Amino acid sequence: SAVISQKPSRDICQRGTSLTIQCQVDSQVTMMFWYRQQPGQSLTLIATANQGSEATYESGFVIDKFPISRPNLTFSTLTVSNLSPEDSSIYLCSARTDRDTGELFFGEGSRLTVL
Amino acid sequence: EDKVVQSPLSLVVHEGDTVTLNCSYEVTNFRSLLWYKQEKKAPTFLFMLTSSGIEKKSGRLSSILDKKELFSILNITATQTGDSAIYLCAVPHGIQGAQKLVFGQGTRLTINP
Repeated sequence: SAVISQKPSRDICQRGTSLTIQCQVDSQVTMMFWYRQQPGQSLTLIATANQGSEATYESGFVIDKFPISRPNLTFSTLTVSNLSPEDSSIYLCSARTDRDTGELFFGEGSRLTVL
Repeated sequence: EDKVVQSPLSLVVHEGDTVTLNCSYEVTNFRSLLWYKQEKKAPTFLFMLTSSGIEKKSGRLSSILDKKELFSILNITATQTGDSAIYLCAVPHGIQGAQKLVFGQGTRLTINP
């Protein structure tokens, strides 16, 4: 298993600013992902964070809006840029320790409110 | 396109009742199906199912997979108020070694005392 710490746990930001969310895993993991959960919705994958290279983004998500870093096997950041009220969501970091099994562990999430 | 559909979307029952949550899926190269419980923010893992007809059980929760009919159910017996949560079903998809999870819409379960 893996314990995933995210910060901040919540934040309120002004329109046009950016927020960076940090994700730290307590053990080396093969895969790290960032999900978004908009109010009343299920989880949507934003991107796969790749160690030492550019993230792999899902359809509808772009690097300019959601830059992601993963400098090593245990740490990743997600930045949500040029914030608008539509970006108000919970952002969840997740990780998998085994490349071939499906189980995914989640961080506690970061609740973002954009005014 | 891979997809996961859960039903019902919302369910309200009384404490002590038994509930059954449904999850159907369409995915290429099926490997497994996962159930999560989400109370506040972070989903917590419940079960991973890979084989048809084999029930996974944990206390009052149990789940089974039907790979022929492409669905799974999650049963909760003798429900308690602490079972109130959103229950998410998810299926990995993608090429081997780069699997991501596709989530259903979730079932919001409310247990009234």
